[in-house]
Amino acid sequence: DGGITQSPKYLFRKEGQNVTLSCEQNLNHDAMYWYRQDPGQGLRLIYYSQIVNDFQKGDIAEGYSVSREKKESFPLTVTSAQKNPTAFYLCASSRRGEFSTDTQYFGPGTRLTVL
Amino acid sequence: AQSVAQPEDQVNVAEGNPLTVKCTYSVSGNPYLFWYVQYPNRGLQFLLKYITGDNLVKGSYGFEAEFNKSQTSFHLKKPSALVSDSALYFCAVRDTESDRGSTLGRLYFGRGTQLTVWP
Repeated sequence: DGGITQSPKYLFRKEGQNVTLSCEQNLNHDAMYWYRQDPGQGLRLIYYSQIVNDFQKGDIAEGYSVSREKKESFPLTVTSAQKNPTAFYLCASSRRGEFSTDTQYFGPGTRLTVL
Repeated sequence: AQSVAQPEDQVNVAEGNPLTVKCTYSVSGNPYLFWYVQYPNRGLQFLLKYITGDNLVKGSYGFEAEFNKSQTSFHLKKPSALVSDSALYFCAVRDTESDRGSTLGRLYFGRGTQLTVWP
């Protein structure tokens, strides 16, 4: 899991609530990513950011929002508009987004459960 | 379109036997290929990657993978499996052709293969 931390490890949300998942990295990486993992579906990209104050939607951005105010931080907010938010959320980072050979490194994940 | 297929949802092997986890890909240009491993309720750990050069890539924990361009495959292998190798394995690909002009190191992941090594 390296220098990427995610908190909390487990998160419970009531329907209609917004929740924010934290992702911090001390690897001095420029690019950061959020993925959602559901059983048997692999990883799906939610949002990504290559530099501070810039981010783009991935494949399943609806119902999610992000910010990138600091290089080391990329929080993800799961809004009440996300219809089925129960999943395992993974944050990743890489040295630079634009270089094909760069490896993405992952945090330990946050398991979100809607009650 | 870019895609990765892991044709086996589950692979079972006896400890001490060789193991293979299969991965095939589809890209427009040259692929960059990655293998990751995930233990229960943990993040993904990087195992190895193929960028260019020797088709046989060696990685962490005794794993290796062979890039085969004609078969568009990148199978993960280990000569002698350990019980501790039991985990979920993901193959991922980056398509250098479609990313030309893009500034994102986008990875496309397979659905994962559950490896079980029994004693």
